[in-house]
This record gives sequence, C-alpha cells and structure tokens, in this order.
Amino acid sequence: NAGVTQTPKFRVLKTGQSMTLLCAQDMNHEYMYWYRQDPGMGLRLIHYSVGEGTTAKGEVPDGYNVSRLKKQNFLLGLESAAPSQTSVYFCASSKTGWSSYNEQFFGPGTRLTVL
Amino acid sequence: TQLLEQSPQFLSIQEGENLTVYCNSSSVFSSLQWYRQEPGEGPVLLVTVVTGGEVKKLKRLTFQFGDARKDSSLHITAAQPGDTGLYLCAERPSGGSNYKLTFGKGTLLTVNP
Repeated sequence: NAGVTQTPKFRVLKTGQSMTLLCAQDMNHEYMYWYRQDPGMGLRLIHYSVGEGTTAKGEVPDGYNVSRLKKQNFLLGLESAAPSQTSVYFCASSKTGWSSYNEQFFGPGTRLTVL
Repeated sequence: TQLLEQSPQFLSIQEGENLTVYCNSSSVFSSLQWYRQEPGEGPVLLVTVVTGGEVKKLKRLTFQFGDARKDSSLHITAAQPGDTGLYLCAERPSGGSNYKLTFGKGTLLTVNP
C-alpha cells in the first residue's frame, strides 16, 4: 500500500515550458487536492476534485490546469511555466469530505524550479 | 475564509525542554486539525479537535481546543530531536465545501540534541 505518490520528485523548467505533475493514490479515495507550499506562505490549495471526472478551483488556480480521468490519478499541468510557479507541490487525497475527522493524506511533494 | 495565525513562526530549543505553539483565528472554527511535516516530506495528521474545551493527548503531545473554538494550542513535553518539523494547524469550515482545509503558515520547530 503505497498511499499517495507523486512524479517527478524534482524538476527544473525554463520560463515558457510546459509540464505535467502526476499524483496517484491506491486508497480508493474520492477526494484529491493539489497544494503549493512557499516559504512563509503555508499550504495553498490550487485545484481539487470531489470525484472521478470532476475538478474545481481552489485558492490560487491561475496558471494551472488539472484533470481527473481516473479515480486514482490527479494530474496538475503548467502550460507556460513562470518563475512565480517555483514552489513545492503537494498532492493529497481523502476518503470523503464531510466528516470533521476526515484526514487528508499527502504525497512526498515535487520540488519545481522555473528559471 | 478565515485567517489562521500561528505563533511563534520559528522555535529552536534544547532536547528535554517543554514548548507550546498556538493557532488562533478571528472566527469560530468548525473543527481544527494539527499536522506535522518533517523535512522533505508531506504533512501527516496528528489530531483532530471538534468540541470546545477538548483536550487530546498523543504520547508527549497535548492538544487543546479553546472553549470558544477560536484558538488551539499544542504542548510538547520533554522535546526530542525527532519532534523537529513544521507544525501546521488547519481549519475546516462549517457547512458547504467543508472538505477544503485552510492551513496556517506553521511553526518551524528545531529540537537540538
């Protein structure tokens, strides 16, 4: 049981390049999330999904797109990378959303640098 | 979205000392979670508090939820180097999209041997 995995672990991009971050979970969770973590800013929600085929915007969605074609996978895309997108990206999943005790399980993160 | 304030932002102590970190809001929490994030890893849930005045213990960690549900604290007794990490509180809003957590900026704790 691997939990939440993220690919790749590290990536360096040049301004204007595109890339896709892959998140996979093997816990059959309905909800999945993408966060970014910057120094002094905490974790901020980029996009989330409440089930296969659904996506929604979070707090900081600009410059990112997502897709949830399969329940176990949640993809985060950067169409034209900018230096402001240099960050550590975390994917998370949760079984449901409605319980106060609902736990989010996080992946190990992807460290992205945009030059 | 309510603003979560965590204090202190940084804390460096010696092994064996006690410490308390805080999470405060101007609004009432529906429920609050504490996560710990070790260097190079994702956050891991420590505890969820729901009821005002609630106290939960996890080995040397004691979590308290304020009576008015607007603040929470985490107390660590006899800190160890393994406690080093970023401690994040996260608020779950009431009603609607309450599956979306709002995180504080965290307290970065370093426990020196």
